[in-house]
Amino acid sequence: AQRVTQPEKLLSVFKGAPVELKCNYSYSGSPELFWYVQYSRQRLQLLLRHISRESIKGFTADLNKGETSFHLKKPFAQEEDSAMYYCALSGLTDKLIFGTGTRLQVFP
Amino acid sequence: GAGVSQSPSNKVTEKGKDVELRCDPISGHTALYWYRQRLGQGLEFLIYFQGNSAPDKSGLPSDRFSAERTGESVSTLTIQRTQQEDSAVYLCASTPRDGRNTGELFFGEGSRLTVL
Repeated sequence: AQRVTQPEKLLSVFKGAPVELKCNYSYSGSPELFWYVQYSRQRLQLLLRHISRESIKGFTADLNKGETSFHLKKPFAQEEDSAMYYCALSGLTDKLIFGTGTRLQVFP
Repeated sequence: GAGVSQSPSNKVTEKGKDVELRCDPISGHTALYWYRQRLGQGLEFLIYFQGNSAPDKSGLPSDRFSAERTGESVSTLTIQRTQQEDSAVYLCASTPRDGRNTGELFFGEGSRLTVL
């Protein structure tokens, strides 16, 4: 069965501090992993996908198949990063399974 | 329109009534998804359409829930005999399908359902 776990409901940091939002998954095959973000009063939108291996808004995420993790990282958090972050997994089908989300608060 | 459009944006209903939620996907997007988001919880997959057919409806919580899609466009999610636990934001998303799942879903703003 496909499952995505985000253990932290809330993560609070000060501006300039490093950020790591955790995501672990359960899937027997080769998954595709994604991070979605929802800023206040905006729609849920794609932030990045593991297959692209890109950095978006300073965020990166590495797929670790050994640890079945896809943690989202940023070396220096900004206030505008405050948002709800969702990790998502796609397997052989087109169904995208989301985690429960982590709210990131960046204080000035 | 430029994005996924959902209506109504807010719906308050009495327990036992039926409700219908509508989703207009982005033009040309063949895949359409419905998710439910209860307060303080994550996105719960309900059903997925490819064209007008639903290859995966495994997330529909009970037979009170049904969905259809016509003309490879508009989709409606119907909840019969609503219960208080149906209160949630219902999100619709669409994506083009080019033979590969890119994972980029385009979401609507959601329909907030409150069952009294």
